[in-house]
Amino acid sequence: AQSVTQPDIHITVSEGASLELRCNYSYGATPYLFWYVQSPGQGLQLLLKYFSGDTLVQGIKGFEAEFKRSQSSFNLRKPSVHWSDAAEYFCAVSSGNTGKLIFGQGTTLQVKP
Amino acid sequence: DVKVTQSSRYLVKRTGEKVFLECVQDMDHENMFWYRQDPGLGLRLIYFSYDVKMKEKGDIPEGYSVSREKKERFSLILESASTNQTSMYLCASSLWGQGAAMGNTGELFFGEGSRLTVL
Repeated sequence: AQSVTQPDIHITVSEGASLELRCNYSYGATPYLFWYVQSPGQGLQLLLKYFSGDTLVQGIKGFEAEFKRSQSSFNLRKPSVHWSDAAEYFCAVSSGNTGKLIFGQGTTLQVKP
Repeated sequence: DVKVTQSSRYLVKRTGEKVFLECVQDMDHENMFWYRQDPGLGLRLIYFSYDVKMKEKGDIPEGYSVSREKKERFSLILESASTNQTSMYLCASSLWGQGAAMGNTGELFFGEGSRLTVL
């Protein structure tokens, strides 16, 4: 069965520091992969997605993610974190052609001044 | 822009009450979803629908039902609310069916959520 694991429940970084959020997935075929962000009290907003082609994907707000098939990973990165990036981040994989997304447990990002 | 609107942002109900959570999308999407979000558990799929009057169970359908009488509207129903249904409920919609070759990669568009407290 498909699954997504985000190993880090909570991460704290200093403003201006680099960020990497980890995501590992389990899926038999070529996956469609997504990163969403949820600010406090809000719904989920799509940061970026991968479905084919270049394995380094650029998203909104300066985020990028790299698909590594050999490691079954889709880690999210940002070179310099801003205080407004404090939020919860979810990695997700599409469950075949059903349209369902399977989500990881989420990673809460705290940004220190 | 796609807009998914959930009618109630915050609700407080009592055990045993019937609860309706309403969701409307304005982009003519075929697919609609109800997820439940709990700390440490991420988002779990309750029910989804591919078309009017069609529904499929997700991973945690027990204690819930849904209704889709019109394409743009998808309702989640708690027949008899219980305290363990206190949670954040997220509605989403998507355009699917053609696959990536048709430029559709299954992105979900989410509403802002309905936080339900059952006392």
